[in-house]
Amino acid sequence: AQSVSQHNHHVILSEAASLELGCNYSYGGTVNLFWYVQYPGQHLQLLLKYFSGDPLVKGIKGFEAEFIKSKFSFNLRKPSVQWSDTAEYFCAVNNNNNDMRFGAGTRLTVKP
Amino acid sequence: DAGVIQSPRHEVTEMGQEVTLRCKPISGHDYLFWYRQTMMRGLELLIYFNNNVPIDDSGMPEDRFSAKMPNASFSTLKIQPSEPRDSAVYFCASSRDVTDTQYFGPGTRLTVL
Repeated sequence: AQSVSQHNHHVILSEAASLELGCNYSYGGTVNLFWYVQYPGQHLQLLLKYFSGDPLVKGIKGFEAEFIKSKFSFNLRKPSVQWSDTAEYFCAVNNNNNDMRFGAGTRLTVKP
Repeated sequence: DAGVIQSPRHEVTEMGQEVTLRCKPISGHDYLFWYRQTMMRGLELLIYFNNNVPIDDSGMPEDRFSAKMPNASFSTLKIQPSEPRDSAVYFCASSRDVTDTQYFGPGTRLTVL
């Protein structure tokens, strides 16, 4: 079955630490990839997305993600996290068969 | 545009009662999605519509759950009868295309006692 895996359920970092959140998917063929963020008490909002072109995607607030097709991965990175990055992060994947799936989410806690 | 609108924001009800959640998508968006979020199961897609027609309801947990979209600007998710295990945050989202960015509403936090 098609699925999206986020292996880290909860990540705790200190401010200024580097971040990498893993996302792997099991779809074949062409995919569109997303990272959404949910800040405490708020609804999900788009952080960045990849449809085609440069596999290194820049998003808002200094986030980036790299699509590695051979590894079926779309990991999210930020070189230096801030306390305000504390949130839950969701990877999402869809394909042209109208199948959209979200990962279970990774909760990030940044200690001031 | 005001974004995706959901009501109510919070709902507390007793087991066995009927619950109706409402969603107004962004104007011009042809796709509407209903999700459920819990600590145990994360974010789950329940059902989605294209041009008011249900396309995939395989995520609907059981017959107690039903969703309708009578027109392009309104959708409901109904639970009848509700059970404590239905307690969750229910999100509605809309998009122009199924492969496009989804815009989420603020969610409805449902508590079934």
